[in-house]
Amino acid sequence: DTGVSQNPRHKITKRGQNVTFRCDPISEHNRLYWYRQTLGQGPEFLTYFQNEAQLEKSRLLSDRFSAERPKGSFSTLEIQRTEQGDSAMYLCASSADSGGPQHFGDGTRLSIL
Amino acid sequence: AQTVTQSQPEMSVQEAETVTLSCTYDTSESDYYLFWYKQPPSRQMILVIRQEAYKQQNATENRFSVNFQKAAKSFSLKISDSQLGDAAMYFCAVQGGSEKLVFGKGTKLTVNP
Repeated sequence: DTGVSQNPRHKITKRGQNVTFRCDPISEHNRLYWYRQTLGQGPEFLTYFQNEAQLEKSRLLSDRFSAERPKGSFSTLEIQRTEQGDSAMYLCASSADSGGPQHFGDGTRLSIL
Repeated sequence: AQTVTQSQPEMSVQEAETVTLSCTYDTSESDYYLFWYKQPPSRQMILVIRQEAYKQQNATENRFSVNFQKAAKSFSLKISDSQLGDAAMYFCAVQGGSEKLVFGKGTKLTVNP
C-alpha cells in the first residue's frame, strides 16, 4: 500500500493556460474523489468516480473543469483557461467502499500568476 | 444540504494534557458517517477517527475519542495525553446520502511544551 499519489506537487501557471493534474489511488480502491481546498478553509468536494464512471459532480465544477478516470485506475483533473480564483490546493482521495474512510494524497498546489 | 460547524478556530493545550475540539453538524439523512481528520502543516490529511451514526457507542482510537450526541448533532473530539506531534489543523466531516465528505472550516491545535 503506497498510498494516494498526486502529481505534480506544485504547479505555477499564467492566467488563461490549461493545467492537468494526475491522481493515482490506492490500488484496490474503486472509489476516487477530487476536492479543492483554499487557505483557511476545509476541503470542498468537486467530483467522485466509482471505477471509471463519474457519478457525482459539484456545482463548483464549472465547464472549465473536466475529470476523467478512463480505466478505473488513475484519474486526471484538467482546468482550462485558468483564472485567479482557481488558485488552491487540489486534493485527491480514494476509498474501498461506501462510508469507508477516504485516504488523501499530498495534493497539488496550483498558483495562478 | 449538509453542514458542519467548528466553532473554535484555534485551540491550545499543554503537552500531556487533554483537549476537546467541538463540532456540530446538520444532515437530513438517517444513515450517515462522521469523521475527524488531521492535517499537519504542509502535509497530507490523515484520518483520526470515524463514527457510524447508527452506533451509539463512541469511537476510540488510542488517545483519541469522540463524544457523539446524535440528538444534539454534536461530535466532539477528545485528545488525551497531548503530544507535540498532535499539533495540526483538525477537520470534522460528515458523509451521508452521497459519497462526498462535507468538511467544517477546521480548528488549529497548538501543543505547548
